[in-house]
Amino acid sequence: DSGVTQTPKHLITATGQRVTLRCSPRSGDLSVYWYQQSLDQGLQFLIQYYNGEERAKGNILERFSAQQFPDLHSELNLSSLELGDSALYFCASSVMAGGSTDTQYFGPGTRLTVL
Amino acid sequence: GESVGLHLPTLSVQEGDNSIINCAYSNSASDYFIWYKQESGKGPQFIIDIRSNMDKRQGQRVTVLLNKTVKHLSLQIAATQPGDSAVYFCAEMSGGGADGLTFGKGTHLIIQP
Repeated sequence: DSGVTQTPKHLITATGQRVTLRCSPRSGDLSVYWYQQSLDQGLQFLIQYYNGEERAKGNILERFSAQQFPDLHSELNLSSLELGDSALYFCASSVMAGGSTDTQYFGPGTRLTVL
Repeated sequence: GESVGLHLPTLSVQEGDNSIINCAYSNSASDYFIWYKQESGKGPQFIIDIRSNMDKRQGQRVTVLLNKTVKHLSLQIAATQPGDSAVYFCAEMSGGGADGLTFGKGTHLIIQP
């Protein structure tokens, strides 16, 4: 158990809908990262927040957004969902703002299925 | 764009043998490398990391080797056990993490009894 929690574990929804995924980092960690894992694209970095502020941005679609709250938990919002958004979504956390040796610890993931 | 890739999608080894999982990277600016293990239905689990100023690092039953000349990274697992069955990903970081971690496609390690 990494100490990172994610809810829900599974989510099934329809195309065009909007969902929110939630992540609680390990106690004491200030950074939260979101990754998408799909069969064709593998694990891809979406976005990072550090102490409430956006820190780094990866391959995140405009339909997706995230935020980190004062208690450091984070939410990833996915809107206008398409079939291709079906994937595993992982949250990771680290102690600092990122960089080498700031180890990222991953949560168990949320499996999103868009029908 | 530049990415991290793996040579073999599946590796089958006998229980008790040593396993070697390879990874090639193309971003010469990468300065930090990590190996993650992902078991079915779980998130990636940190195994071991190495900075670009090192060429070898050892952990418990695992060793990571870095060859910057040929941009190659490997993970050696000693005395492979059934619990080592998983998909192993190498990941790299450059620029202080401004682009997050870039993951390879993964190698599925299968342990034969």
